[in-house]
Amino acid sequence: GEDVEQSLFLSVREGDSSVINCTYTDSSSTYLYWYKQEPGAGLQLLTYIFSNMDMKQDQRLTVLLNKKDKHLSLRIADTQTGDSAIYFCAETFMGNDKIIFGKGTRLHILP
Amino acid sequence: GAVVSQHPSRVICKSGTSVKIECRSLDFQATTMFWYRQFPKQSLMLMATSNEGSKATYEQGVEKDKFLINHASLTLSTLTVTSAHPEDSSFYICSARDSQGGGPSTQYFGPGTRLTVL
Repeated sequence: GEDVEQSLFLSVREGDSSVINCTYTDSSSTYLYWYKQEPGAGLQLLTYIFSNMDMKQDQRLTVLLNKKDKHLSLRIADTQTGDSAIYFCAETFMGNDKIIFGKGTRLHILP
Repeated sequence: GAVVSQHPSRVICKSGTSVKIECRSLDFQATTMFWYRQFPKQSLMLMATSNEGSKATYEQGVEKDKFLINHASLTLSTLTVTSAHPEDSSFYICSARDSQGGGPSTQYFGPGTRLTVL
């Protein structure tokens, strides 16, 4: 079945890199996503990766996909206070708009 | 980028009343919109898929008579929580799919509506 797992909490010092991890169970996913949710707000799509790619980089964000291990990660370089939010890993499948979300990882920035 | 609005952003109501939440795509047309529910420290759970001009498709376990969805135009979908009870208190988020767009990044999320039922 469809299941996306993430650790619930991550604490990182300002200026360090943050790495948020996610595992999923259904290998037939077509796209995998990272969304950001700030307090009391909706979701903002940060980045996505096609399932046949291994890596995608976009400015401070690097997404790594290990399809064999069904593992997705998001690295945020030079973490800033504005990066404090909940980050959701998600996946979609061919021919289906339905997005399956993980429970989200709350990123806390230490001064 | 594309903007999706929700109204109201917050609502407090008494138990037994009905509450309507609007979801609008402001600068694009959306034949398909989605309604999610988010509990504290939980993920988003898809409640239903709203299709313009036709009946909504509800996920398993979601009561269609409790959560009425209407998608009367290409830019507006409404969710009505009927006879609300405290257990319906939650954060409701909608998303809209750009009808003209293809690919994985054309589903845009609204800012959410916080419903509190007393």
